[in-house]
Amino acid sequence: KAGVTQTPRYLIKTRGQQVTLSCSPISGHRSVSWYQQTPGQGLQFLFEYFSETQRNKGNFPGRFSGRQFSNSRSEMNVSTLELGDSALYLCASSIGGAVADTQYFGPGTRLTVL
Amino acid sequence: AQSVTQLGSHVSVSEGALVLLRCNYSSSVPPYLFWYVQYPNQGLQLLLKYTSAATLVKGINGFEAEFKKSETSFHLTKPSAHMSDAAEYFCAGYGNQFYFGTGTSLTVIP
Repeated sequence: KAGVTQTPRYLIKTRGQQVTLSCSPISGHRSVSWYQQTPGQGLQFLFEYFSETQRNKGNFPGRFSGRQFSNSRSEMNVSTLELGDSALYLCASSIGGAVADTQYFGPGTRLTVL
Repeated sequence: AQSVTQLGSHVSVSEGALVLLRCNYSSSVPPYLFWYVQYPNQGLQLLLKYTSAATLVKGINGFEAEFKKSETSFHLTKPSAHMSDAAEYFCAGYGNQFYFGTGTSLTVIP
């Protein structure tokens, strides 16, 4: 079974631009979560989608948004990029039917904001 | 607030020595605890998961962790370090969302 895939793997943008990251979960998984990983803050939860609905949201500004499609693929969008948005963005999928389902992580998208 | 705390951002051990990575959780975190490993330029891989079935949890690659409620700890151990164990390790808990520690970088000295 294929793992979680994220595209693109690397991205360079300038301040003020917007960016869209994509995540394809493991087949059969209905939950997709997004995390931001930085050296200073570690892994921080952005949001979780389950069956096309946002089920949970972390403490990030409204510039960060996401959505999930009927095939469970998910996208994350960041508008008006800031230098501090430079990070590794990780996507994780899980079956989604139980509390604390095991999450399976993708390799991440490395975003650099200049 | 729900949280997990990893003690020691960097740990070095000699090859063949005991690996001990420390994690403490806040008492408000329900008993769902995890250890993940991250190799360079890769995502996180689950090592083991505690869900209150047994206090000693065995994971992959020879790792295990013991849940100690009295100490609010969930330390990760491996009896004998291997060079391939060099990586970043994350302790995580689950409340209504996942919470990750800041990570411990493990160096294995040949």
